[in-house]
Amino acid sequence: EAQVTQNPRYLITVTGKKLTVTCSQNMNHEYMSWYRQDPGLGLRQIYYSMNVEVTDKGDVPEGYKVSRKEKRNFPLILESPSPNQTSLYFCASSPLWTSDNYEQYFGPGTRLTVT
Amino acid sequence: LAKTTQPISMDSYEGQEVNITCSHNNIATNDYITWYQQFPSQGPRFIIQGYKTKVTNEVASLFIPADRKSSTLSLPRVSLSDTAVYYCLVGVYSGGGADGLTFGKGTHLIIQP
Repeated sequence: EAQVTQNPRYLITVTGKKLTVTCSQNMNHEYMSWYRQDPGLGLRQIYYSMNVEVTDKGDVPEGYKVSRKEKRNFPLILESPSPNQTSLYFCASSPLWTSDNYEQYFGPGTRLTVT
Repeated sequence: LAKTTQPISMDSYEGQEVNITCSHNNIATNDYITWYQQFPSQGPRFIIQGYKTKVTNEVASLFIPADRKSSTLSLPRVSLSDTAVYYCLVGVYSGGGADGLTFGKGTHLIIQP
């Protein structure tokens, strides 16, 4: 089944404790992206990647890191989480880099709480 | 970077046709327009994309006027299950990066019986 998976789905952590949210897609998509969603603010892009070893900042990259060492994986890293990073996070992938298909496929979301 | 403006919320009734308009006055020549639907605590789901004129699929139609400064998502005969947030995105991907692709706050559509 074609899908985007994220782990963990739920995470409660404490301020300053490094964490990684994994994202994996099995559709051989070039483009991958991370978003965060907060009440009243809609979806905001954190980072995106056009291909392996190519990443770029989105609208709200502060406090986050990403890597794209393999085409299928795009982990989101919080080196020192803070309470303002409490949010619902979505990973997405798309074939658009090699076609005019702009459909993004989203993962199920990761709800992160930082205390 | 093409910005979009949508109504914050809309109400309608089951069986009606609903039209949600998105303004994108500074759309660039290469920009495509895409619409997504999102239910609470789920990831957005692609509905439709277009470049100009009219596009129709099994769930919606997208109307884009000649100047492309706006677009209208049309949902025929809505049901209660169409209650969701709808996002309009305008952007393009190029060798230099991905422009646009900001979801914004979307339009919260509420369908009543």
